[in-house]
Order: sequence, then C-alpha cells, then structure tokens
Amino acid sequence: DTEVTQTPKHLVMGMTNKKSLKCEQHMGHRAMYWYKQKAKKPPELMFVYSYEKLSINESVPSRFSPECPNSSLLNLHLHALQPEDSALYLCASSQMPGQRSYGYTFGSGTRLTVV
Amino acid sequence: AQKITQTQPGMFVQEKEAVTLDCTYDTSDPSYGLFWYKQPSSGEMIFLIYQGSYDQQNATEGRYSLNFQKARKSANLVISASQLGDSAMYFCAMSPYTGANSKLTFGKGITLSVRP
Repeated sequence: DTEVTQTPKHLVMGMTNKKSLKCEQHMGHRAMYWYKQKAKKPPELMFVYSYEKLSINESVPSRFSPECPNSSLLNLHLHALQPEDSALYLCASSQMPGQRSYGYTFGSGTRLTVV
Repeated sequence: AQKITQTQPGMFVQEKEAVTLDCTYDTSDPSYGLFWYKQPSSGEMIFLIYQGSYDQQNATEGRYSLNFQKARKSANLVISASQLGDSAMYFCAMSPYTGANSKLTFGKGITLSVRP
C-alpha cells in the first residue's frame, strides 16, 4: 500500500461548526504532515508529527487542532473557522530523512469551504 | 532556513517537445533532498523525482530528469517528449536531513501548458 488516504474529499462547514479531517497511511512512515494550500499558491506547512508526537507547529491558530492517535492516522479538528480558512488541506507522510525510500507521499486533499 | 525560488512565468511547450523548468535553492544545511511535484487541477500532489544532495549522478525517472548543479544551487526539471497530460502546476521542493524536525518547503510553482 503506497497511498495516503484523506477523507472527506470535500467539506462545507459553517463558522460555528466542528468538523474533522482524517488522514491514513499504511506505509510504515513515522512522520506525518498537514499542509494548507490556497489557489495558485504553494502548500504551506501547518503541523509535523514525528513518531506520533507533535514536532512542529507553524504558529497555526488554535481553531485548528491536530491529533495523531497512532502511527497510521492523523486528524485535523476544526472549530470556529473563518471564511479565509477555505483552502485545500493536504496530508503527507514520509520516512525519516536518510532512511531508505525517503520521500514525501501526499494524499489527494480535502477541499474545505467555510461559509 | 531554506528557500526555493521558481521565477519562470507560465510556460508553454509544444506536444512531443522537451521543456526545462527552473529551480534554485538556498540552504545552510549540509545534507538535503530536492523534489519535484506535479499538481493537476484536481489538486493531488504527484511525486515526480528526487535528488539527494550527495548523489553523484543526476536523477532520472522515465521522461523526467533532474539537472542538479550543486555549486550553482540549481535543480532544474527536464520533461522530455511532452504530453497533453503534462499540463499542470509544477513545484520544486526541498527538505533538509534533520530528523524529526525536517519539513518540506515549496517554491511558488510554475504553470506548464502543453499545446497540441
């Protein structure tokens, strides 16, 4: 299995809603990532989990709350979002640098619209 | 900190011709990896090719090759025999080999359009 699976593919939510994005990989990768991407822009890193522990938080607002329940799953909990948070949210996973098959595998993303 | 620069405006290429997409980078890390990704309008980020900073030979993957010039800090992507399906956004990206705090940083991307 060489895939990163993200659900849902599309999500529309109101500013008072609570929702979660899910990401799953079964490649044995020990690092997982959340990126946010606006249209015609590069992905911007939000969070990095390494061995199920949060290792990087790029000063993301607290309305985004990541969770890594185990080595295969990564969640992003959303609460009280703003319309400007509408974007494509990409999950990725990787081996540790220097390990065999080092590289980043991305999911197909969740297109989020906040209304 | 690392920086990736992609300055080309939208690129156009005739079907079956070769095209080069430019990428320069800057880093103080001694070891790093360079990546190219393709992103069609559907949004998925598709891995194309990888080059390690200590690799002696330029990477190749099918129609994709990476022209790596370490001293000039450039990592240009060459696509041979362009196909209509190659029309997409292309991102150059870089990650240092720093273990748990490694992160992949992207350039701003280049839009490639293949003409029939």
